[in-house]
Amino acid sequence: NAGVMQNPRHLVRRRGQEARLRCSPMKGHSHVYWYRQLPEEGLKFMVYLQKENIIDESGMPKERFSAEFPKEGPSILRIQQVVRGDSAAYFCASSPGGGPAYEQYFGPGTRLTVT
Amino acid sequence: SQQGEEDPQALSIQEGENATMNCSYKTSINNLQWYRQNSGRGLVHLILIRSNEREKHSGRLRVTLDTSKKSSSLLITASRAADTASYFCATDSGGYQKVTFGTGTKLQVIP
Repeated sequence: NAGVMQNPRHLVRRRGQEARLRCSPMKGHSHVYWYRQLPEEGLKFMVYLQKENIIDESGMPKERFSAEFPKEGPSILRIQQVVRGDSAAYFCASSPGGGPAYEQYFGPGTRLTVT
Repeated sequence: SQQGEEDPQALSIQEGENATMNCSYKTSINNLQWYRQNSGRGLVHLILIRSNEREKHSGRLRVTLDTSKKSSSLLITASRAADTASYFCATDSGGYQKVTFGTGTKLQVIP
């Protein structure tokens, strides 16, 4: 059973471009979480999705950021018109359920650099 | 402010020594988890302790939880150079598993 997969692993964008980050959850997992980690900091929750639904996006910036988890295919975190402050590592995690009993399994992350 | 805050922020020890990291949190929790992150890598889940548990062991890891003090500790015994990493505690308190991470303890084990 492959783990959580994220691609690309590294992404360089110029200011104003769009960044698309992909996350394929573990097989059988229908719950996906996105986190952002700034250098020397812990992970900050961004959004929690189930298939075709956004459950909690309280950690998402109000503008330029969006996330989806379609019925088929990976979850996508999309950042429009990137700025230097968006440079960070973005991690996704998946779990088989959404209750407190379920462990989250993390992907290796996508490192976004905005030049 | 952060739900979980680790202490110390950084710790440097000799191989073979024990390493203790502490985590404090603010609100009631369902579970508390510890994760390890090697430099430039994703997170590896180490151990989960539920709010009704006081102590848990996994190999060289020992985790304690004191819900009255809203704190947890992670003890790594007989440390190895490969234990060098950042360690994060994470808490969840909602009806679903929205996890809040602390700022981490950077552990360096010197061979």
